[in-house]
Amino acid sequence: DQQVKQNSPSLSVQEGRISILNCDYTNSMFDYFLWYKKYPAEGPTFLISISSIKDKNEDGRFTVFLNKSAKHLSLHIVPSQPGDSAVYFCAARGSYRSTGANNLFFGTGTRLTVIP
Amino acid sequence: DGGITQSPKYLFRKEGQNVTLSCEQNLNHDAMYWYRQDPGQGLRLIYYSQIVNDFQKGDIAEGYSVSREKKESFPLTVTSAQKNPTAFYLCASSIGRETNEQFFGPGTRLTVL
Repeated sequence: DQQVKQNSPSLSVQEGRISILNCDYTNSMFDYFLWYKKYPAEGPTFLISISSIKDKNEDGRFTVFLNKSAKHLSLHIVPSQPGDSAVYFCAARGSYRSTGANNLFFGTGTRLTVIP
Repeated sequence: DGGITQSPKYLFRKEGQNVTLSCEQNLNHDAMYWYRQDPGQGLRLIYYSQIVNDFQKGDIAEGYSVSREKKESFPLTVTSAQKNPTAFYLCASSIGRETNEQFFGPGTRLTVL
């Protein structure tokens, strides 16, 4: 039962253009959302996050938008650079069913390729 | 400087053998996690520990075991009962149970021959 979904496994964008990565979730109790970036054979690194009480958070070239009514968030990268080529994971914070402890639930990832 | 280390980076094991993956952090974080990554499946939670001497099963705990005897260390044992152990294993930590962000180690690629 995948509570966080990234329906696009891959995305290709020209350098300098906007990259838009999408994420959908099913649990309305999620209260915090994060984006991680991952290079091959490395651990994910934190990129940007947003609280459920906000609808937008910006950090340099990266902006995350949250639409709670649609249970949808997106990551915008402007302008896209070749170094942005990586797998991007969306994650949501919620309570783990068996213990009630807060944990992160991850999407399946989207591979972004920025073409020079 | 602070961070999470996992060793080894690559590990090969014969079928039927147990193997232990190391995870150490010097961030003074209370909570630690083990995830498994398979192609097209994202990160799936194996075990987590909110505090020393306590740990809980995640979504795919069968065939794995952990211990948390020290705050800094959270080793994962892949037992012979794990049916499909070949995968990329990631360890993470966070300040505490209420913290939003988890910090990840570089990962261990386990291949069963």
